[in-house]
Amino acid sequence: NAGVMQNPRHLVRRRGQEARLRCSPMKGHSHVYWYRQLPEEGLKFMVYLQKENIIDESGMPKERFSAEFPKEGPSILRIQQVVRGDSAAYFCASSPLRTGQTEAFFGQGTRLTVV
Amino acid sequence: GDSVTQMEGPVTLSEEAFLTINCTYTATGYPSLFWYVQYPGEGLQLLLKATKADDKGSNKGFEATYRKETTSFHLEKGSVQVSDSAVYFCALSDSDGTSYGKLTFGQGTILTVHP
Repeated sequence: NAGVMQNPRHLVRRRGQEARLRCSPMKGHSHVYWYRQLPEEGLKFMVYLQKENIIDESGMPKERFSAEFPKEGPSILRIQQVVRGDSAAYFCASSPLRTGQTEAFFGQGTRLTVV
Repeated sequence: GDSVTQMEGPVTLSEEAFLTINCTYTATGYPSLFWYVQYPGEGLQLLLKATKADDKGSNKGFEATYRKETTSFHLEKGSVQVSDSAVYFCALSDSDGTSYGKLTFGQGTILTVHP
């Protein structure tokens, strides 16, 4: 059973370009969470998605950031018109259930560098 | 809102030394508590967890006890190894207990163990 798969592992974008980060949850998992880790900081929750639904986006910046988790395919975190401050590691986690004592499993992250 | 405060690092120890990393939290409900470990260039791995007061989580020689009276979840290991060198994150789940994927993280503590 493959773990949470994120790609690309490293992404370089010029200021003003778009960044698309992909996350394939573990098999059987229908809940996806995105986190951002700024240099030398802890992870900050961004958004929680279920298939075709955004459950909680309280941590998402109001502009330029969006996320989706379609019925088929991976979850996508999209950052439009990137700026240097978007440089960070973005982690995805998945879990099988919303309730119950099941922890989330993390992917290896995508390290975004904006130049 | 919920918050987690971790002992500031970095922490540098010799092999076989005793390790303590302090973690305290603020939460309105009854969260579950976690320790995650992040090795260089990797994603987060769950190290241990505790879901209610006085529970002790343990794994790979590490342990932590959920202390509601002191709102703490300190990580300990009796004898560290070089391979324990990593960043350690304390985290708590969403206070209403509906999701273990929406986590609030501490800022992380870098541990370096020398031979």
